[in-house]
Amino acid sequence: GAGVSQSPSNKVTEKGKDVELRCDPISGHTALYWYRQRLGQGLEFLIYFQGNSAPDKSGLPSDRFSAERTGESVSTLTIQRTQQEDSAVYLCASSLNRRSQGALGNGYTFGSGTRLTVV
Amino acid sequence: AQSVTQLGSHVSVSEGALVLLRCNYSSSVPPYLFWYVQYPNQGLQLLLKYTSAATLVKGINGFEAEFKKSETSFHLTKPSAHMSDAAEYFCAVTSGWSGYALNFGKGTSLLVTP
Repeated sequence: GAGVSQSPSNKVTEKGKDVELRCDPISGHTALYWYRQRLGQGLEFLIYFQGNSAPDKSGLPSDRFSAERTGESVSTLTIQRTQQEDSAVYLCASSLNRRSQGALGNGYTFGSGTRLTVV
Repeated sequence: AQSVTQLGSHVSVSEGALVLLRCNYSSSVPPYLFWYVQYPNQGLQLLLKYTSAATLVKGINGFEAEFKKSETSFHLTKPSAHMSDAAEYFCAVTSGWSGYALNFGKGTSLLVTP
């Protein structure tokens, strides 16, 4: 597609429920990133996918968080047993190349995010 | 590891006044630095980037930033603020080819008053 598409744009869920967030990157972008943006905080790196390589999960805050990506297409971020501290905007970005090369080259293209509210 | 610190979570300027958003970085290797802008309900958009070429970098919408190694700074400026510049601005750092993801600051919210 023309840009990075994220769905849903807003999600309100009850504490303890599971949620799935979806990211559809730009076609041809091999690298995909998930970030979390809590109110008043910077963007917190969560996970990074590069092609068919093993993802870098070093930013996932707990084992309640997981993400999948099929090849170089759609990615889903799943949060199990949601807690109130999970409330945030979850941003997805993609780039042509891996990590720093993507940043230095064409840059990361961000989606509009999913605003998750856990009540 | 690299990090950036943005001084001032909120900055207010009058329309037509100078915009100055501060960013200081910490990095044990030569950094590459970025400014992103986020308009309400939109994703982040790259304003400009420093990649070890010219220390004064010009970006979109009349913004520019100067890399000052001695001060470990990469402040964002614009000579004359427009109402449309009201947004959240993020400074970010990475270390080039080492494979690190972008590390972002906490952001500065810019308010432009008539």
